[in-house]
Amino acid sequence: ELVLTQSPGTLSLSPGERATLSCRASQSVKHDWLAWYQQIPGQAPRLLIYGASSRATGIPDRFSGSWSGTDFTLTISRLEPEDFAVYYCQQSGSLPKTFGQGTKVEIK
Amino acid sequence: EVQLVESGGGLVQPGGSLRLSCAASGLTFSTTWMSWVRQAPGKGLEWVAMISQDGSGRDYVDSVKGRFTISRDNARNSLYLQMNSLRVEDTAMFYCASDTYGAFHNWGQGTLVTVSS
Repeated sequence: ELVLTQSPGTLSLSPGERATLSCRASQSVKHDWLAWYQQIPGQAPRLLIYGASSRATGIPDRFSGSWSGTDFTLTISRLEPEDFAVYYCQQSGSLPKTFGQGTKVEIK
Repeated sequence: EVQLVESGGGLVQPGGSLRLSCAASGLTFSTTWMSWVRQAPGKGLEWVAMISQDGSGRDYVDSVKGRFTISRDNARNSLYLQMNSLRVEDTAMFYCASDTYGAFHNWGQGTLVTVSS
């Protein structure tokens, strides 16, 4: 099973700051098959990024994704109040599809 | 606008069965892979099962193989998850999701399954 390890577990930042979230894969995963989701407590997850760097429909351009080898990064350029949430990476390159354990972005 | 609406959750005893449904609208359901994803209370997301457009291809996470069956009815734009031999550890919110280009683009609001005696 391909394991995705997200870091840090919790990120404490202020509105307007830049957030950098990491997701490391235990083995090679083609970038096409890596996605990022946002989940606000009590709500369903929402797709932010697919194909490692393509923004989903309606996602603001302050969200961006990148990768290098087995390391994937989600960057939020300037945090808005609605961005404080839990973020998950997910891969579909090999079965079973797997998610990272999540990174919580909280208000400092 | 894509809408996915799950139903069928509830309280069931260990060893019992439930059938979840997901009604889809606003997308071409018959050409879309679909998946079920679950989330135990206070925990992360776990992919459970997926099904191809015509239902001929299916796969499951190991922990539910032999107990859960995913199916679909394209004429009714509906997705199903038959869950048998339920365990306490199956307690979770279950989401249906469209599965396209390696990502879950659309999600329902979820249906809660509680397995407890």
